[in-house]
Amino acid sequence: SQTIHQWPATLVQPVGSPLSLECTVEGTSNPNLYWYRQAAGRGLQLLFYSVGIGQISSEVPQNLSASRPQDRQFILSSKKLLLSDSGFYLCAGRDRASYEQYFGPGTRLTVT
Amino acid sequence: AQSVTQLGSHVSVSEGALVLLRCNYSSSVPPYLFWYVQYPNQGLQLLLKYTSAATLVKGINGFEAEFKKSETSFHLTKPSAHMSDAAEYFCAVSDRSSYKLIFGSGTRLLVRP
Repeated sequence: SQTIHQWPATLVQPVGSPLSLECTVEGTSNPNLYWYRQAAGRGLQLLFYSVGIGQISSEVPQNLSASRPQDRQFILSSKKLLLSDSGFYLCAGRDRASYEQYFGPGTRLTVT
Repeated sequence: AQSVTQLGSHVSVSEGALVLLRCNYSSSVPPYLFWYVQYPNQGLQLLLKYTSAATLVKGINGFEAEFKKSETSFHLTKPSAHMSDAAEYFCAVSDRSSYKLIFGSGTRLLVRP
């Protein structure tokens, strides 16, 4: 089965600073990859998904971007963070032979 | 468009009591349905999934869910709650092309000793 790694686990950044969150996958090749955000007291919102290297689909307009430079690497970025970017960011992957998504441990981002 | 409604943001049960977490979905095509559990400050763990095989699905930790097309429901149950079941539970639906997950707002399960 696949394993999703995320880092860092927690991050505190000032408003206006850049952001880079990394997600890597092991145990599968050519997975679909997803970035979700979970704001305090709210459900999960899909931000981006990718079906292959360099292929990114954005689900909601926002201050963030995503990239997939390698098959099993998915990066979430921002040039200038906003207070509203605070939240718990989760990366997920789906093996193309299965239906379910597996999630990483998440990154808690606090923008101050 | 697909959507998921979880009735009850908080559910409280006594240890040993039946757990019932409600999920209703909306989908114009036969969906895939999932239940995930999230412990504090952790990622989501898959409990069980429905992918159009048996309508009664058994998952990990003694949980099960029944797909009822006529009621558009996929409620999660466990006969006897344990203290370790205290967590937040999310129901999700996906379509059969993009496999993108649409989540409900979650239900926090509290287990009283």
